[in-house]
Amino acid sequence: DSGVTQTPKHLITATGQRVTLRCSPRSGDLSVYWYQQSLDQGLQFLIQYYNGEERAKGNILERFSAQQFPDLHSELNLSSLELGDSALYFCASRETSGGAGELFFGEGSRLTVL
Amino acid sequence: AQSVTQLDSQVPVFEEAPVELRCNYSSSVSVYLFWYVQYPNQGLQLLLKYLSGSTLVKGINGFEAEFNKSQTSFHLRKPSVHISDTAEYFCAVSPFHNNAGNMLTFGGGTRLMVKP
Repeated sequence: DSGVTQTPKHLITATGQRVTLRCSPRSGDLSVYWYQQSLDQGLQFLIQYYNGEERAKGNILERFSAQQFPDLHSELNLSSLELGDSALYFCASRETSGGAGELFFGEGSRLTVL
Repeated sequence: AQSVTQLDSQVPVFEEAPVELRCNYSSSVSVYLFWYVQYPNQGLQLLLKYLSGSTLVKGINGFEAEFNKSQTSFHLRKPSVHISDTAEYFCAVSPFHNNAGNMLTFGGGTRLMVKP
């Protein structure tokens, strides 16, 4: 158990819909990272938050947004869903923003868009 | 920008045989290097990392990796694999500079399949 909790574990929805994925980081971790894992794209970095502020942005679509709340949990919002958004979405956390500290990953939220 | 190439998408091997999973990277800046493992239906777990110093790094579960700067490689090895090592293995890099982000760039993954 990494200490990172993601909900829901599985989600099935239709094209055009909007979903919210939730992540609770390890106790004491201020940084939260979101990754998308798909068969064709592999593991892609989406976005990072540190203590409530956006710190880095990767290959995140404009239809996607995220935020980190004062209690440090984070949500990833995916809207106008397309078939190609079907993927496993991982949240990871670590204590700091920079450096080489280990990233601790949750078990992921598997999104299926029909 | 950084990129990571894992040269083998699948590696089948018999139990108790040695294995090497290959990783090459490209970066215009100095990087930290990592290997992560993903067991079925689980998140990624750190196996080992190279920050500086000795180029041979030992990790968990008997794995080790060697950093080769001239060849920009960070190959993962294990002298004798077990069935329980069956998993997906990811090589990743993260830039040195200690600014915001330092997000990991992952390779495409190598599926290690250990057969009895």
